[in-house]
Amino acid sequence: EAGVAQSPRYKIIEKRQSVAFWCNPISGHATLYWYQQILGQGPKLLIQFQNNGVVDDSQLPKDRFSAERLKGVDSTLKIQPAKLEDSAVYLCASSSGVYNEQFFGPGTRLTVL
Amino acid sequence: AQSVTQLGSHVSVSEGALVLLRCNYSSSVPPYLFWYVQYPNQGLQLLLKYTTGATLVKGINGFEAEFKKSETSFHLTKPSAHMSDAAEYFCAVSESSGTYKYIFGTGTRLKVLA
Repeated sequence: EAGVAQSPRYKIIEKRQSVAFWCNPISGHATLYWYQQILGQGPKLLIQFQNNGVVDDSQLPKDRFSAERLKGVDSTLKIQPAKLEDSAVYLCASSSGVYNEQFFGPGTRLTVL
Repeated sequence: AQSVTQLGSHVSVSEGALVLLRCNYSSSVPPYLFWYVQYPNQGLQLLLKYTTGATLVKGINGFEAEFKKSETSFHLTKPSAHMSDAAEYFCAVSESSGTYKYIFGTGTRLKVLA
């Protein structure tokens, strides 16, 4: 089966610019996650969707970050405006249920200059 | 609140030697425990997981881990390291109910010496 797809793989922007990342989960997976992985750290959950609904966004900086999952399939994560400290790898993962294994995409490496 | 501690951000072993990567957790409820591996410029791949049942868990690529409740540990081992094992390894814990949110450790980078 096809894995989790993410694009772009790399993005370089200047601070205060906007950026968007796209994720296509494994077909049929109802649960979708966005993680932020800063260099030298483990992934940190930003937001978790169950179908269209948000299950957990307690660690999402809502003043600049937003995410949506239209029709319960693809998802986009947006940062507006970006700060230097947003430089990280943004990982998308999906699972067939919250108690099931999470499958990760290759990530998008964001560099903010 | 749950947390994960991985002792040793960098571990070096010789090819053919035992691999031991340490993970300790804290959780107020019975946890689910995971080990993931991350190769350069790739996403995370599940090595093994403990949910319930047998406390010695076998995973892919010859890795195994043992859940020790009394020590709150879930250390990852492999009897004989291979060059292809060089990667970053992450331990994660989730609650066994609710949102099952994963909390990851800071990772251990394994280097295998020829």
